[in-house]
Amino acid sequence: ETGVTQTPRHLVMGMTNKKSLKCEQHLGHNAMYWYKQSAKKPLELMFVYSLEERVENNSVPSRFSPECPNSSHLFLHLHTLQPEDSALYLCASSQGGEGGETQYFGPGTRLLVL
Amino acid sequence: AQSVSQHNHHVILSEAASLELGCNYSYGGTVNLFWYVQYPGQHLQLLLKYFSGDPLVKGIKGFEAEFIKSKFSFNLRKPSVQWSDTAEYFCAVNENSGGYQKVTFGTGTKLQVIP
Repeated sequence: ETGVTQTPRHLVMGMTNKKSLKCEQHLGHNAMYWYKQSAKKPLELMFVYSLEERVENNSVPSRFSPECPNSSHLFLHLHTLQPEDSALYLCASSQGGEGGETQYFGPGTRLLVL
Repeated sequence: AQSVSQHNHHVILSEAASLELGCNYSYGGTVNLFWYVQYPGQHLQLLLKYFSGDPLVKGIKGFEAEFIKSKFSFNLRKPSVQWSDTAEYFCAVNENSGGYQKVTFGTGTKLQVIP
């Protein structure tokens, strides 16, 4: 248990569905992240929120929409996804600072798009 | 943009063998370097990191890594592996950004230790 929880742990959705992934951190951190982990590919940084403000958006398609209502919660809203979006979606948090801070990861949401 | 290369995708060792996993990065600025590990069924977690100072970094469970700036490398080592070290290992580089981590990960190396 790392202090970062994600729900749901598994999700199957059709291409026309709308769903949301939730992440919660109990560590008092001020930065939160969404990563995509696909087989045989590096973890891809999708979004970064620092102090509840989006600071990074790594060319992620608009069918992924993040939301950070407060420093403890992060959402990833999904709509009209494609089968190639099937992957493990990881949330992480860290304490901002000079650099070198450890990221704490959640268990991930395994997403399957049919 | 920075990139991270891990040369070994799948390594199989017998218990007590020595381990070295390669990691090279491409970024000319100041970097922070990490090795993360994911044990079967568990979260990705930090194994060790280099921030500044001594380039030889010691982490948990007897792992160490050496930052060689001239070679842009941060190889992970362990003198004698155990079956419990079976996991996937990720090298990562952080580009200093104000207040948050902009981290690039390698593709990972799956280590299988045979009893």
